[in-house]
Amino acid sequence: KQEVTQIPAALSVPEGENLVLNCSFTDSAIYNLQWFRQDPGKGLTSLLLIQSSQREQTSGRLNASLDKSSGRSTLYIAASQPGDSATYLCAVCGNYKLTFGKGTLLTVNP
Amino acid sequence: EPEVTQTPSHQVTQMGQEVILRCVPISNHLYFYWYRQILGQKVEFLVSFYNNEISEKSEIFDDQFSVERPDGSNFTLKIRSTKLEDSAMYFCASSALRTETGELFFGEGSRLTVL
Repeated sequence: KQEVTQIPAALSVPEGENLVLNCSFTDSAIYNLQWFRQDPGKGLTSLLLIQSSQREQTSGRLNASLDKSSGRSTLYIAASQPGDSATYLCAVCGNYKLTFGKGTLLTVNP
Repeated sequence: EPEVTQTPSHQVTQMGQEVILRCVPISNHLYFYWYRQILGQKVEFLVSFYNNEISEKSEIFDDQFSVERPDGSNFTLKIRSTKLEDSAMYFCASSALRTETGELFFGEGSRLTVL
């Protein structure tokens, strides 16, 4: 059974800092990995999708990497802003469904 | 930008009542899903739907649950007789390609509170 773990559970940083969020998964037989952002009480906003054959994807200040063999992904956020404050969720696709981690609650302080 | 829309945003119901949650997926998408998130817990898969039938479902998706695409635009989740433990945020999602290949887009969610 796939298990997804995200570390740290919470992170508080000053504005402007570069930061890394970590995601690990137990079964490396995945098709893809997706990073989402969730604001309090809101839906999931897709940030990046990495296919299993890819090593990384970039969108603006976000860069996600995938090391399938070691069961790890990282989400790098450059020059963080207060508007980046949210919960970041990692989800891996094994058979037909996404399995989610519990998320990292990020607070960027002005 | 196209988006998945869900109604209602919040529904309060009594235990044992039937509830229907509605979703309008992105218009050219072919794959539809329901996920849920119990407060403080992980988002978890309920069901996937393609070509007017269920393609996969989780063990959570028992006989109390059903899904339907009654017309060309709506996708509904029905809970026949709600229990206290059905209280959760229910997310609808859609994708142009199947989950193994495509990006899933989620709606804002419908919060269900069962009293």
